[in-house]
Amino acid sequence: AQSVTQLDSQVPVFEEAPVELRCNYSSSVSVYLFWYVQYPNQGLQLLLKYLSGSTLVKGINGFEAEFNKSQTSFHLRKPSVHISDTAEYFCAVSARTGNQFYFGTGTSLTVIP
Amino acid sequence: AAGVIQSPRHLIKEKRETATLKCYPIPRHDTVYWYQQGPGQDPQFLISFYEKMQSDKGSIPDRFSAQQFSDYHSELNMSSLELGDSALYFCASSLEPNYGYTFGSGTRLTVV
Repeated sequence: AQSVTQLDSQVPVFEEAPVELRCNYSSSVSVYLFWYVQYPNQGLQLLLKYLSGSTLVKGINGFEAEFNKSQTSFHLRKPSVHISDTAEYFCAVSARTGNQFYFGTGTSLTVIP
Repeated sequence: AAGVIQSPRHLIKEKRETATLKCYPIPRHDTVYWYQQGPGQDPQFLISFYEKMQSDKGSIPDRFSAQQFSDYHSELNMSSLELGDSALYFCASSLEPNYGYTFGSGTRLTVV
């Protein structure tokens, strides 16, 4: 099975500052990696995904993530955050031959004016 | 663009009652997944269907059942509801497994 660890449960950051949300995964097989965002009282929205190819993946809203196989990481970054980025962020992994996602416990990003 | 539609958006039930949650996937998506997200928790996988057949099973209680119909919509049936079943229930659909789901907005179930 696969598992995901999000190292920070809460990340406060000032507006226009850069942010990195950390995600490490564990798997004995090749995986696909995803980041989802959940705004208050809303569903999960796909930010970006890594399937294959370039390890640097760009997503919506100016977010990007880098797949590092040797460190089994898939950290999410944004060079300058906005108030509207305040939300819960979930990292997820699925085996390439599997059929379900495993989510991390989430990181609550709070952007401070 | 069409999204995943879930109904109802909110549902209040009493203990020991039954509830049925519906999910309408994106057109041509043949795979449907159900997740349960408790308050302040990450989504937990319940069950999935591919081409109307159950494809994977997670931490779904025996009191729950689900199926996918010929038009690919899915229903999650929950019986003998308990207070602990209060949660946000997400449905997601995908064209091919593991290529990233599209989630619905969820059904918030409150058991009182």
